[in-house]
Amino acid sequence: GDSVTQMEGPVTLSEEAFLTINCTYTATGYPSLFWYVQYPGEGLQLLLKATKADDKGSNKGFEATYRKETTSFHLEKGSVQVSDSAVYFCALSRIGGGTSYGKLTFGQGTILTVHP
Amino acid sequence: SQTIHQWPATLVQPVGSPLSLECTVEGTSNPNLYWYRQAAGRGLQLLFYSVGIGQISSEVPQNLSASRPQDRQFILSSKKLLLSDSGFYLCAWSPRTGSGTEAFFGQGTRLTVV
Repeated sequence: GDSVTQMEGPVTLSEEAFLTINCTYTATGYPSLFWYVQYPGEGLQLLLKATKADDKGSNKGFEATYRKETTSFHLEKGSVQVSDSAVYFCALSRIGGGTSYGKLTFGQGTILTVHP
Repeated sequence: SQTIHQWPATLVQPVGSPLSLECTVEGTSNPNLYWYRQAAGRGLQLLFYSVGIGQISSEVPQNLSASRPQDRQFILSSKKLLLSDSGFYLCAWSPRTGSGTEAFFGQGTRLTVV
């Protein structure tokens, strides 16, 4: 079955440091890939997405590139802020209509803490 | 625009008591609907999904059930809660068709069974 593996956390960085959170996946076919962010006590918000190989998703200074050859979708940000402290989830969804839409497989989440 | 409402935000229930969590979606029709659970310190697990009124699919065997009495309403229930039912429950929706395949989440319900 489908699976998503994220780097182990937690990750602790100083403000303005460079961030990378690794994500690899296993799936048949060509899934869509996502990064979601969860702030304390809240639901999940879509951060960025990519729907085909070599696509780059970007939002709020974060970016990730869909690498089919390495089955990866690593999240990066050049300069993190304290407000970026949250849990980050990598996820995939099979492309297709009907029951496939929105049926996500998640990684285990990576806790990011950014200190001033 | 579409919005998703989930309530209550927090809930403390004794073991053996019933449960009802409700989720409604506005601004769209015929959505796919989902219930996920997030146990402490762990990722998200899909519990149920629904593609239409009265159509429920269960992803994992458990003490919970789901119902969809209306197109944009999704309810998570239990007749008798267990300690292991504690967790953060998230409702989500996705469009039935279109170019995107992402899901949109509610704010979640923190359930503590004592």
